[in-house]
Formats: sequence, structure tokens, C-alpha cells
Amino acid sequence: NAGVTQTPKFRILKIGQSMTLQCAQDMNHNYMYWYRQDPGMGLKLIYYSVGAGITDKGEVPNGYNVSRSTTEDFPLRLELAAPSQTSVYFCASTNGGGATGELFFGEGSRLTVL
Amino acid sequence: GQNIDQPTEMTATEGAIVQINCTYQTSGFNGLFWYQQHAGEAPTFLSYNVLDGLEEKGRFSSFLSRSKGYSYLLLKELQMKDSASYLCAVRDHSGAGSYQLTFGKGTKLSVIP
Repeated sequence: NAGVTQTPKFRILKIGQSMTLQCAQDMNHNYMYWYRQDPGMGLKLIYYSVGAGITDKGEVPNGYNVSRSTTEDFPLRLELAAPSQTSVYFCASTNGGGATGELFFGEGSRLTVL
Repeated sequence: GQNIDQPTEMTATEGAIVQINCTYQTSGFNGLFWYQQHAGEAPTFLSYNVLDGLEEKGRFSSFLSRSKGYSYLLLKELQMKDSASYLCAVRDHSGAGSYQLTFGKGTKLSVIP
């Protein structure tokens, strides 16, 4: 049982380049989330999805796009990378409310834009 | 929106007890979570409160008062490995049926010998 898997773990981009951060979960969770974490700033929600085919913006969506074609996968696309997008990105999933509905996190993707 | 406040840093001695406070303001409250995050790693789930009162789980306990918008995480018998950031997070049940978790900035706890 792999849980939430993110790739790549590290990436350096040049300004203006584009890339996709991959996220996959094998827990059959409906809810998936992308957060970014800057030093000392906590986790900020970029986009989330409540099920396949449904996505919505979080607190800081500008410069990003997502898709959810399957329950398992929730890729995050960065278009025209900017230095402000240098951050650690975490993908997370949950089964929703229920007993706790805790979030399960991937290991993170560390992105640097130069 | 939501506003979550917790102290930025705390220091405590090995073997002691430490309490990390969290205050929040939100509509549609649907639970409060505490996560532990070691440097360079992903957050891991510690505790969950949705009703008022204390939840105990080994050396860790978490308390919630919904009327006061207040929670704390209590760590007993501190160990060096407890040095980490502790994130308070509030879940909001929006009308769209989503369960969004909003995180505070985290409290960096340093345990010293």
C-alpha cells in the first residue's frame, strides 16, 4: 500500500518553463488536494478535487492548473514558472468526513525556479 | 475565510510537558486537527477533535473548545524526537460538500536536553 505518491521529489526550472507535478493515491479517496508550503508560512491550498471530473480553486490558484480524470491521479500543472512559485508542494488525499477524515500526505516535491 | 493563530516557536526541556495553543475563527466548523512535521518531511496526523473536550493518545492530548475557538496540543514526557513543527488545522464543510483543511503557520518546537 503506497499511499500518496508524488513525483518528482526535486526539480529546478527556469523562468517561463512549464512542468507537471504528478500525484497518485491508491486508497480510493475521493478528495484530493494540492498545497504549497513556503518557509514559516504554513500550508496554503492551491486546488482541490472532490471526485473524478470535479476540481475547484483554493486560496492561491494563480499560475497553476489541475485535472482529475481518474480517482487515483491529480496532477498539478505549472505554466510559465516564476520565482514566486519556488516552494515545497504537497499532495494530499482523504476519504472525507467519517471518523476523522485525516489527510494523508505525499512526501513533497521541492521546486526551485531560477 | 478562516484565521488560525498559533505561536511561531517554543522551547521545552526533555522530559517536561509543553502546551501549544491554537485559536481559530471559521464558519462551518467541521473539526480541528493537529499534525506533526519534522524538518524536510511531510506532515503526519496526530489528533482530531470535533466535540468539546480532551482527546488523549499516549503522550499526546488535544483539547477543543468550540465556543471559544480554541484548541491546545499537550505533549508529555518530551523526547528529543518531538522536536518538530506542530500544525493546527481547521476543517470547514462548505456548501459544495467539500472538506477543506486550512492550516495555521505552525509552531516550531525545540526540545533541549
